[in-house]
Amino acid sequence: NAGVMQNPRHLVRRRGQEARLRCSPMKGHSHVYWYRQLPEEGLKFMVYLQKENIIDESGMPKERFSAEFPKEGPSILRIQQVVRGDSAAYFCASSLGGTPYEQYFGPGTRLTVT
Amino acid sequence: DQQVKQNSPSLSVQEGRISILNCDYTNSMFDYFLWYKKYPAEGPTFLISISSIKDKNEDGRFTVFLNKSAKHLSLHIVPSQPGDSAVYFCAAREPGNTPLVFGKGTRLSVIA
Repeated sequence: NAGVMQNPRHLVRRRGQEARLRCSPMKGHSHVYWYRQLPEEGLKFMVYLQKENIIDESGMPKERFSAEFPKEGPSILRIQQVVRGDSAAYFCASSLGGTPYEQYFGPGTRLTVT
Repeated sequence: DQQVKQNSPSLSVQEGRISILNCDYTNSMFDYFLWYKKYPAEGPTFLISISSIKDKNEDGRFTVFLNKSAKHLSLHIVPSQPGDSAVYFCAAREPGNTPLVFGKGTRLSVIA
């Protein structure tokens, strides 16, 4: 029973390029959450999605960031025109439902913007 | 404005002794609290949780205590083992389908 999968594990982008981060939830999980961890910081919530719906994007920057969770395939976090400040570890978590189900995390994608 | 605070960035404990990790919160709407453990280059792993209707939850070597009046929770690990060396994150959530709010973490080192 595979856990949450994220790819790529490491991604290097030059300023101005686009970054696409993928997350495949655990089998049977239909709730996906994206978090960002800056150096020496805790994880900060970005967006919460269910299949084909964005439920809560209150933690998402208003510009350049978007997320989707299509009916088929992984959830995608897209960052357009990346800047150095986007360099961070991006973690995806999935759960069977909302409260009180636990969130299970993937290994993360470490994005470096040069 | 940090709603979940872990004021100790690091903690060193001898193998076999008790590790106590602390967490304070400010949001009285939080009703569910979790501890995650994180190794380098890996995602956080769920460890133990507690609902606000309880004041203690135990799972093997791990016990979480919740003091709602003080808005404080703690994770006790006993006996501590070298494999417990990791960063521990405290997290909390409000009722409903709400996101987790994380503290900054405490790095635990268990010395053999």
